[in-house]
Amino acid sequence: AQSVTQLDSQVPVFEEAPVELRCNYSSSVSVYLFWYVQYPNQGLQLLLKYLSGSTLVKGINGFEAEFNKSQTSFHLRKPSVHISDTAEYFCAVKVAKTSYDKVIFGPGTSLSVIP
Amino acid sequence: GAVVSQHPSWVICKSGTSVKIECRSLDFQATTMFWYRQFPKQSLMLMATSNEGSKATYEQGVEKDKFLINHASLTLSTLTVTSAHPEDSSFYICSAREWRALGGEQYFGPGTRLTVT
Repeated sequence: AQSVTQLDSQVPVFEEAPVELRCNYSSSVSVYLFWYVQYPNQGLQLLLKYLSGSTLVKGINGFEAEFNKSQTSFHLRKPSVHISDTAEYFCAVKVAKTSYDKVIFGPGTSLSVIP
Repeated sequence: GAVVSQHPSWVICKSGTSVKIECRSLDFQATTMFWYRQFPKQSLMLMATSNEGSKATYEQGVEKDKFLINHASLTLSTLTVTSAHPEDSSFYICSAREWRALGGEQYFGPGTRLTVT
């Protein structure tokens, strides 16, 4: 079975500073990886995804993530955060190349950008 | 991009009544839709997976007779909370997967806040 760990439940960071949100996964088979963002009282929006190929994935709003197979990690980064980045961030994993549709979500990391 | 809508965005109902929540994919055909429940400050809990034209698959511990799911078309799925009680109060989010999505990514609706009094 697959699982996702987000070690940091809360991350406070000053505006214009860099940020890294950590995600580790566990799986015995190949997986697809995703990062979603959730603003208060809203649904989830896809930030970026890794399916295959280049391990550095660029997404929307200036975010990027790097897939590290040996460390089973998919950390999310942004070089300079804005107040508007304050939100909940979820890492997610899905078994690759199958019709099995279930996506496993991590517990989430609350990013707070301090002015 | 792929857009998923939910209606209503919030609803207040009395204990014992039933509530229907609609989930629509607006610009794509969704062969599979998912229903999640989210408690405050927590992650999403998958309730059920529905495929167009077939019965929904419920996760362990989710009462299928209480949470009725219908996926009658490629753009519409509904969740009906029957005989709602205060403990059913929660944020319900649907998502849809386009049949052509290679990575299986899901597109999420904005959520429905249900409050049962």
